[in-house]
Amino acid sequence: GNSVTQMEGPVTLSEEAFLTINCTYTATGYPSLFWYVQYPGEGLQLLLKATKADDKGSNKGFEATYRKETTSFHLEKGSVQVSDSAVYFCALGGSQGNLIFGKGTKLSVKP
Amino acid sequence: EPEVTQTPSHQVTQMGQEVILRCVPISNHLYFYWYRQILGQKVEFLVSFYNNEISEKSEIFDDQFSVERPDGSNFTLKIRSTKLEDSAMYFCASTPGPAANSPLHFGNGTRLTVT
Repeated sequence: GNSVTQMEGPVTLSEEAFLTINCTYTATGYPSLFWYVQYPGEGLQLLLKATKADDKGSNKGFEATYRKETTSFHLEKGSVQVSDSAVYFCALGGSQGNLIFGKGTKLSVKP
Repeated sequence: EPEVTQTPSHQVTQMGQEVILRCVPISNHLYFYWYRQILGQKVEFLVSFYNNEISEKSEIFDDQFSVERPDGSNFTLKIRSTKLEDSAMYFCASTPGPAANSPLHFGNGTRLTVT
């Protein structure tokens, strides 16, 4: 069945460092791919999405490119801020309209 | 900006008791979902609801679980006889269209603790 695998956390970076959080998926067909973010004490919020191969989703300085050949959707940001500290979830659209999430990667950014 | 609201934020119950978790989705959304997140684990899909009926459910959503939209605004998740392993964060979400193509709008969650 469809599944998502994310890199294990936690990830600790200094402010202005480069961020990569790896995400790979297994799916039949070409589902939409998403990154959600969960700030402390809050629910999940959509960060960005891509709906087809080679699409690049971007938001708040974060980017991720839908790579069909490597079945990946890695999240990147060139210069992280303390306010980016959160848990990041990769997800793919299931065949019946639900979302399948990865385990989440906790990011801590130190000043 | 409209948001999904969930109550209570924290519920403590004894094993074997019934609990009802409440959600008010965004008013013009048509699809409703429950997910749960056991501490340190992935966010897991429980059930989706559309047009006043369940459209999909996972194998976690067994006979102990039920959902209801009792009026035009609330969407509830009932656990009939709670087990210790039901302890988790439960998230309600809604979308205007199917979640595969429309972003899910999540509530802040209800932390359920079963003792």
